[in-house]
Amino acid sequence: DGGITQSPKYLFRKEGQNVTLSCEQNLNHDAMYWYRQDPGQGLRLIYYSQIVNDFQKGDIAEGYSVSREKKESFPLTVTSAQKNPTAFYLCASSLLRGQLNTEAFFGQGTRLTVV
Amino acid sequence: AQKVTQAQTEISVVEKEDVTLDCVYETRDTTYYLFWYKQPPSGELVFLIRRNSFDEQNEISGRYSWNFQKSTSSFNFTITASQVVDSAVYFCALSDYFQGAQKLVFGQGTRLTINP
Repeated sequence: DGGITQSPKYLFRKEGQNVTLSCEQNLNHDAMYWYRQDPGQGLRLIYYSQIVNDFQKGDIAEGYSVSREKKESFPLTVTSAQKNPTAFYLCASSLLRGQLNTEAFFGQGTRLTVV
Repeated sequence: AQKVTQAQTEISVVEKEDVTLDCVYETRDTTYYLFWYKQPPSGELVFLIRRNSFDEQNEISGRYSWNFQKSTSSFNFTITASQVVDSAVYFCALSDYFQGAQKLVFGQGTRLTINP
């Protein structure tokens, strides 16, 4: 079945360590996104990419990095510079139709905890 | 700046009751999209509906219905005859018409609990 796969589901990180969250989609979608969700809050955009080898910062990009070497994959690295990384991270993708983006479809998320 | 407000943080009702989730938005754009997503306990967001600013017709899909009113900048969501499986967090979101998903602005979400 087509969909978005995020791994791992749970991730624990020691302070000062970088960690990478995986996101793979087989929907043949052009655009991919990373969102962060904190308890009781809505989602906030970290990074997005509309095409391979290109990506843009969202609203809260500081302390994060991404790459888009393949259309199917958009990994997110949470660096030691991110001061408060404990959160739920959601990856999404959407189709580009001409100038318009369709709705986003989401993965099941990765819950990152700093220990 | 765009903003979405879901004033109801939590709602709890008994099964079979009707329930309405409120969404109020702010934007200076004349063309935009509005969305509703459902987040079940498993965590992923499930797309429910997308409406563009040109179309104010209400929409019904089974037990779900949406009321879009540009005059009050609202896009409310009603579940009729609620069921336990409807328990989830529901998010309303707004985006620029052309940039769509890449510029989604989410509300804080409403946690809906349907009690048997």
